[in-house]
Amino acid sequence: AQSVAQPEDQVNVAEGNPLTVKCTYSVSGNPYLFWYVQYPNRGLQFLLKYITGDNLVKGSYGFEAEFNKSQTSFHLKKPSALVSDSALYFCAVRPLSWANNLFFGTGTRLTVIP
Amino acid sequence: KAGVTQTPRYLIKTRGQQVTLSCSPISGHRSVSWYQQTPGQGLQFLFEYFSETQRNKGNFPGRFSGRQFSNSRSEMNVSTLELGDSALYLCAIRTKKNEQFFGPGTRLTVL
Repeated sequence: AQSVAQPEDQVNVAEGNPLTVKCTYSVSGNPYLFWYVQYPNRGLQFLLKYITGDNLVKGSYGFEAEFNKSQTSFHLKKPSALVSDSALYFCAVRPLSWANNLFFGTGTRLTVIP
Repeated sequence: KAGVTQTPRYLIKTRGQQVTLSCSPISGHRSVSWYQQTPGQGLQFLFEYFSETQRNKGNFPGRFSGRQFSNSRSEMNVSTLELGDSALYLCAIRTKKNEQFFGPGTRLTVL
């Protein structure tokens, strides 16, 4: 069975500091991995994805994520946090199949403190 | 450019009623997926439609159903509403870059 874990419900970071939002996954085979962000009263916005290739993936708004197959992790990172990065972040996995359903983590609320 | 419109944006119903939500992909993408988001259960996959056929379904009761039309527009129906059906319902399309692009959602409140 597929699963995604985001071990931290809340992450606080000071503006200008680097941030990390953690994600681990469990799936058969090689998965597609995604990060999405959700602002209040909005839908999900795509940040980045990993399918194959370089383990370091760069995405929107200066975010990047590192795929680690041995640790089955896909942590989201940003070198310098902005107050506007404060939002709810979701990690998701799509099993490598014809289906398009995503399995989501429970989400991590990121708060960037001015 | 991919885009998804969901209507209505907000909806209030009472227990026992039924509701229909709509999702319209702007550029006619053939794959449309639906998700339910609640504080307690998080984001859960409901079902996916591809070229008017349901090809994947999540673990939801039969009260939840959907369909897709030839123009790729999709509807989701929930019958005999329960309080626990209060949620944000999100529709997503699959882009050519193999990403899921989400609409703004419909906020359903069941009283």
